[in-house]
Amino acid sequence: DTAVSQTPKYLVTQMGNDKSIKCEQNLGHDTMYWYKQDSKKFLKIMFSYNNKELIINETVPNRFSPKSPDKAHLNLHINSLELGDSAVYFCASSSTSGRLNEQFFGPGTRLTVL
Amino acid sequence: AQSVTQLGSHVSVSEGALVLLRCNYSSSVPPYLFWYVQYPNQGLQLLLKYTTGATLVKGINGFEAEFKKSETSFHLTKPSAHMSDAAEYFCAVSSGGSNYKLTFGKGTLLTVNP
Repeated sequence: DTAVSQTPKYLVTQMGNDKSIKCEQNLGHDTMYWYKQDSKKFLKIMFSYNNKELIINETVPNRFSPKSPDKAHLNLHINSLELGDSAVYFCASSSTSGRLNEQFFGPGTRLTVL
Repeated sequence: AQSVTQLGSHVSVSEGALVLLRCNYSSSVPPYLFWYVQYPNQGLQLLLKYTTGATLVKGINGFEAEFKKSETSFHLTKPSAHMSDAAEYFCAVSSGGSNYKLTFGKGTLLTVNP
């Protein structure tokens, strides 16, 4: 049973296209995150949702729009893709009760923009 | 604001040797500290964490870390390296409470030589 899953695992697309990445967690967590890992392996948080409410929104271009239809899902839609968006995007989840801030990560989505 | 500095982007050890990966943090409030490991083409897995209490924390795979407030450090150690320990290691800090944001260091690549 996969705890945090992401689809697709790989995404190759042309500049200017719009694409979405989906994330689902079956851990019963109430908080979900999107992180971006660049080519130098640097990890930076992009967004966080708690109970479907946006609580963290780092300085991310407006072309990136997260959507949380329910507590178990957090999707990331990217408009007008640019070369610099090429990266690995990780979804994560955690619970506000119990093991506070122990975040569980998905396997990542490698996005390549040509 | 919080930050994490990992000294050494690449550490190389021989199999059976001591592993020491350095992490220093900056936080205006008592920190929660984490070490994550990333194997090639995989997501991040929590190795260990410090929140409160005992400053020497033990994690999975024989790793441990010690929180030293006076030195603002949280170095990761393992007495004897194994080939399977080769991976990227990330130190992260959070202020806990209602702030769910994890701030990561830039990572240290550990290679283990036979």
